Amino acid sequence: DSGVTQTPKHLITATGQRVTLRCSPRSGDLSVYWYQQSLDQGLQFLIQYYNGEERAKGNILERFSAQQFPDLHSELNLSSLELGDSALYFCASSGGRSYNEQFFGPGTRLTVL
Amino acid sequence: ELKVEQNPLFLSMQEGKNYTIYCNYSTTSDRLYWYRQDPGKSLESLFVLLSNGAVKQEGRLMASLDTKARLSTLHITAAVHDLSATYFCAVVLTSGTYKYIFGTGTRLKVLA
Repeated sequence: DSGVTQTPKHLITATGQRVTLRCSPRSGDLSVYWYQQSLDQGLQFLIQYYNGEERAKGNILERFSAQQFPDLHSELNLSSLELGDSALYFCASSGGRSYNEQFFGPGTRLTVL
Repeated sequence: ELKVEQNPLFLSMQEGKNYTIYCNYSTTSDRLYWYRQDPGKSLESLFVLLSNGAVKQEGRLMASLDTKARLSTLHITAAVHDLSATYFCAVVLTSGTYKYIFGTGTRLKVLA
């Protein structure tokens, strides 16, 4: 158990809809990262937050947005969903004592029908 | 654009044998990660390599980094079935933008 939690585990929705994925980092970690894993695209870095501020941006679509709250949990919002958005979404955290090491949550499997 | 290439993509090996997975990347980076992923599971951090010549070992796995050659290796010694998984390297791009680029992964199957 990495100490990173993600909810929900599974999400099934329809095209055009909007969903929110939630991540709670390990205690003491200030950074949160979001990743997408799909068969077509492999593992893609989406975005990183550090202590509430956006730190780095990867291949995140304009339809997607994220934020990190004062209690350090983070949410990834996906809107106008398309079939191709079906994927595993992972959250990871770092910063505490193991500054450079990232600890991954169990992931949210999103299925868009 | 930073590209990260792993080879081989698939590796089937006998227990007890040694093998090396290679991770090549195309631009300057000062940090490289190795991860393991079991089927249907999340990623587990194996190694973080922070400098040229860095070598880290954990059990039967040893990782090294050559920043001049833009190459990292993950060496498996005397493989056992429990090492069967997919292994990913990831490189941090720090010039200009700051982001993480993953390799394609190497699916390792260790046969008893």
